[in-house]
Order: sequence, then structure tokens, then C-alpha cells
Amino acid sequence: GQNIDQPTEMTATEGAIVQINCTYQTSGFNGLFWYQQHAGEAPTFLSYNVLDGLEEKGRFSSFLSRSKGYSYLLLKELQMKDSASYLCAVKDSNYQLIWGAGTKLIIKP
Amino acid sequence: GAVVSQHPSRVICKSGTSVKIECRSLDFQATTMFWYRQFPKQSLMLMATSNEGSKATYEQGVEKDKFLINHASLTLSTLTVTSAHPEDSSFYICSAREVVAGDSDTQYFGPGTRLTVL
Repeated sequence: GQNIDQPTEMTATEGAIVQINCTYQTSGFNGLFWYQQHAGEAPTFLSYNVLDGLEEKGRFSSFLSRSKGYSYLLLKELQMKDSASYLCAVKDSNYQLIWGAGTKLIIKP
Repeated sequence: GAVVSQHPSRVICKSGTSVKIECRSLDFQATTMFWYRQFPKQSLMLMATSNEGSKATYEQGVEKDKFLINHASLTLSTLTVTSAHPEDSSFYICSAREVVAGDSDTQYFGPGTRLTVL
């Protein structure tokens, strides 16, 4: 079966750095997405990785290792508004998006 | 760019009535749109994939006669929940895929519709 694993919940301090991990087992791989979802709102696109390595976009970076079936989302200089759920999604061989359950990130002052 | 709108944002209806939700891509053409459902504290669940001008492809366990999807144009898809019941109460989210050569084929989400069936 296809499976995306990410921690259910994480807590971090304002101004700090947090890394949210995602491991996947899917039938084929055609890219990995990270989305941010605030409570009661729809997801918003954060990043996309299809090749191994690190993609940096401002305070957010996303890393991919295809051989390990592993990705992480790195958030720097955390702000209170970063409190949200972070969803990892993998596009499989049929170009279907397989979604993780999401990681709820709680930022404390 | 890549803005998707959804209407209405909230709807409350009586059991047995039908509700139509519209999803529009505002600044791009979307040959494919997706409909998701999300229950509280749970992940997104894909309901169906909608291709312009053809019948939608429903995921296993989703009743096609209950959740009617129409994708009549490159910028509009509609989801109609027919004979809604309280268990249909959920957050319904659409997304649209903009296909550009060399692009990540990213899905952009509408703001969602919260349906409450009394």
C-alpha cells in the first residue's frame, strides 16, 4: 500500500528553527509537495521537490532524498503565524497526490 | 497568479436538500480540478477528479449519484451534494491544476466550503 508518515504534532518556540519530517512509500514518485493549512482554511502551496537536495524559499526550505523516501520542511525564525498544520504530499506513478495526515505545529512565545 | 475561488464559503441546509458548490480558476485555465473533503482534525480525502468536458473520476467509496460533479468549462467546476444528510457535514475543498511546460504541475486550492446539514 501507499503510505506517508509525518509526526502528528510538534511544538517550537518563536524565533527558533523547526524541522518537520516526512517519509513515504508510494508506487512510483513524481514529486513531493509541502502545503501549509491554517485551522478552518484550505491548504496553501509551500514547496515542491522532484530532485534530491534542498530547495530554499525565504524562511522555508524543503529537502528531498528519493533513495531514502524522505523529505523535511525546515522553518527558520519562527513566527506565531506559522502555527498551522503542514501537509506532505507525494505524486505517485499515476500522478495522483497521496496525502500525509499533516503535522500540527504549535508555536509558543 | 493561480487563484482559485470557491462559493459559497459556508452553507447550512436542512436534511434532504441539495447544495451546489462552485469552484473557479480566476486567472488560469484548469483542465483538471479536484474535489476534496476534510473532516475535523483529519487529512484531506480526495473525492473525485474532474476533467473539463468529460465525466469525473470518483475515488473508491464516493457515491457518484450523491456527489454530482460538472466541469463544463476550463474555469468552472461544480459539486452538488444531493439529498444531503448530517453525515455529509464537512469542509469541502476544490483545487485546480495549472499545467505549464516544465512546471511542477501544482494544485492550487480554493478557500473551501463548510457545509453543515441540520
